[in-house]
Amino acid sequence: AQSVAQPEDQVNVAEGNPLTVKCTYSVSGNPYLFWYVQYPNRGLQFLLKYITGDNLVKGSYGFEAEFNKSQTSFHLKKPSALVSDSALYFCAVRDLSFQKLVFGTGTRLLVSP
Amino acid sequence: KAGVTQTPRYLIKTRGQQVTLSCSPISGHRSVSWYQQTPGQGLQFLFEYFSETQRNKGNFPGRFSGRQFSNSRSEMNVSTLELGDSALYLCASSLFSMNTEAFFGQGTRLTVV
Repeated sequence: AQSVAQPEDQVNVAEGNPLTVKCTYSVSGNPYLFWYVQYPNRGLQFLLKYITGDNLVKGSYGFEAEFNKSQTSFHLKKPSALVSDSALYFCAVRDLSFQKLVFGTGTRLLVSP
Repeated sequence: KAGVTQTPRYLIKTRGQQVTLSCSPISGHRSVSWYQQTPGQGLQFLFEYFSETQRNKGNFPGRFSGRQFSNSRSEMNVSTLELGDSALYLCASSLFSMNTEAFFGQGTRLTVV
């Protein structure tokens, strides 16, 4: 079965510093990987996806993610964090057998001024 | 282009009652999925519909059901509500391809008292 793991419940970073939110995956076959962000009392907003091609994927709001096949990781990154980036971030993988997204447990990002 | 619309945004129901939630997908999207989000269980897949057919169902009791109409709008029904059904219910729409992202609505916050 496809799965993703987000090892950190929370990540704290100062505004202006680079941020990384970690995600590792376990899949059979080629992975379809996604990152979503959730603000309080809101749905999930799509940030970026990896299907195939370049290992560095660029997405919305200045975010990017690095796909590493040997480490089975798909970490979310941003060169310079903003206070407004504070939110809940979810990594997800498409389960090809069941037409669904399988989500990680989420990582809360807190960016301090 | 309008996004995914879920109604109502908030609901308060009593144990034993039933509830119907509605989701209008992005125009042209034929796949609609439903997810339940709770603090304890995270994001859990309920079911997915494509062209009025349920293609897959998650591990939820039969009290949870859904349907999709010819215009791709979907409804989810929960009968005999239990306190544990309190959650944020999210609807997502996508094109039929597996490598495309899902777009989420803002969710319906259901509280069972």
